[in-house]
Amino acid sequence: DAGVIQSPRHEVTEMGQEVTLRCKPISGHNSLFWYRQTMMRGLELLIYFNNNVPIDDSGMPEDRFSAKMPNASFSTLKIQPSEPRDSAVYFCASSLHGYYQPQHFGDGTRLSIL
Amino acid sequence: KQEVTQIPAALSVPEGENLVLNCSFTDSAIYNLQWFRQDPGKGLTSLLLIQSSQREQTSGRLNASLDKSSGRSTLYIAASQPGDSATYLCALYSGGGADGLTFGKGTHLIIQP
Repeated sequence: DAGVIQSPRHEVTEMGQEVTLRCKPISGHNSLFWYRQTMMRGLELLIYFNNNVPIDDSGMPEDRFSAKMPNASFSTLKIQPSEPRDSAVYFCASSLHGYYQPQHFGDGTRLSIL
Repeated sequence: KQEVTQIPAALSVPEGENLVLNCSFTDSAIYNLQWFRQDPGKGLTSLLLIQSSQREQTSGRLNASLDKSSGRSTLYIAASQPGDSATYLCALYSGGGADGLTFGKGTHLIIQP
């Protein structure tokens, strides 16, 4: 079975540019999470979707970040404009039922903002 | 707010040893606790999920226990192998949405051949 698929794997861009990260969850999973991981702060949950609807976006750092899930098989995380402090590894994860079932992670997007 | 601590931050042991990784938490009102492993450059792989009503879960050489009264969970790895080398993280869900999900910083484990 295909796991969670994220693209791109690596992204290097200049400050001020728009960045779009993509995620395809596991088929049949109704919950999708976006995380950010840094050495300083560890793993942080940014936003949680259930049945394509954003349920909790309290972890989104500021208005420069936005996330969408237009259908059950695709989600995007957009940063506009990007800043050097956004540099991190961004993970997407999916589960069968929210926080109550195991979460399955993609391999992440390593984002570097110069 | 829930605080999750994993000690030690790093551990190196010879191959073949049985070992225990620790995860401590401050608030016992949890729904579940999950153990993950993370390999370099990869995402997290779910190992075991223990529901609040359970005391332990087992998968192969791995056994995870949960003691809510003492605020502790342990991950026991039997007969360790070099392939077990990774960072191991625990995560707790205490309810209330995103604020209720807390990850530990992880234990970086090295199994020496």
